Amino acid sequence: NAGVTQTPKFQVLKTGQSMTLQCAQDMNHNSMYWYRQDPGMGLRLIYYSASEGTTDKGEVPNGYNVSRLNKREFSLRLESAAPSQTSVYFCASSDNSGRAGNGELFFGEGSRLTVL
Amino acid sequence: DQQVKQNSPSLSVQEGRISILNCDYTNSMFDYFLWYKKYPAEGPTFLISISSIKDKNEDGRFTVFLNKSAKHLSLHIVPSQPGDSAVYFCAAAPPPNAGNNRKLIWGLGTSLAVNP
Repeated sequence: NAGVTQTPKFQVLKTGQSMTLQCAQDMNHNSMYWYRQDPGMGLRLIYYSASEGTTDKGEVPNGYNVSRLNKREFSLRLESAAPSQTSVYFCASSDNSGRAGNGELFFGEGSRLTVL
Repeated sequence: DQQVKQNSPSLSVQEGRISILNCDYTNSMFDYFLWYKKYPAEGPTFLISISSIKDKNEDGRFTVFLNKSAKHLSLHIVPSQPGDSAVYFCAAAPPPNAGNNRKLIWGLGTSLAVNP
């Protein structure tokens, strides 16, 4: 069981370049999330997908797009990277089927992106 | 406006002593509260949670206390060990009837340093 797998782990981009962060989970979770973490800012939600076929904006969606390719995979795309998007990105998943539970998220190891 | 607040950005304690990390929240409808631990260059990992109907949950060296009237929870680590040095995030979960919108609400984190 790999849990949540993100690729790539590191990426350096020039301003204006595009790239896609990939995420896959093998826990059969219905909900998936993309967060960014910046110093002093905690974890900020970019986009989430409550279930296959749906996506919704989080707190900081500008400059990003997402695709829920299937139940396992949720990708994050930067169409035209900006230095302000330099950050560590985390993908997460949860079993948010509406059943009672603590709402626990399972995180990937992170992708460190630098935009020059 | 932050619904979950961790007012101490950092905390330093001696090995063997107690570490107390605090978290305040504003929404009385939160159903569960979770603590996550994050080491550098890794994704956050779930540590312990507490249901809103409880006032204490214990797991080994980690105990979480919930004071609903004060809308306050705390994580106690006894005894603290150098390996506990990490950033600790407090998070709150809306009730299960939020369904697909049951997204965790995060605090900004507290960086704990346990000194040998």
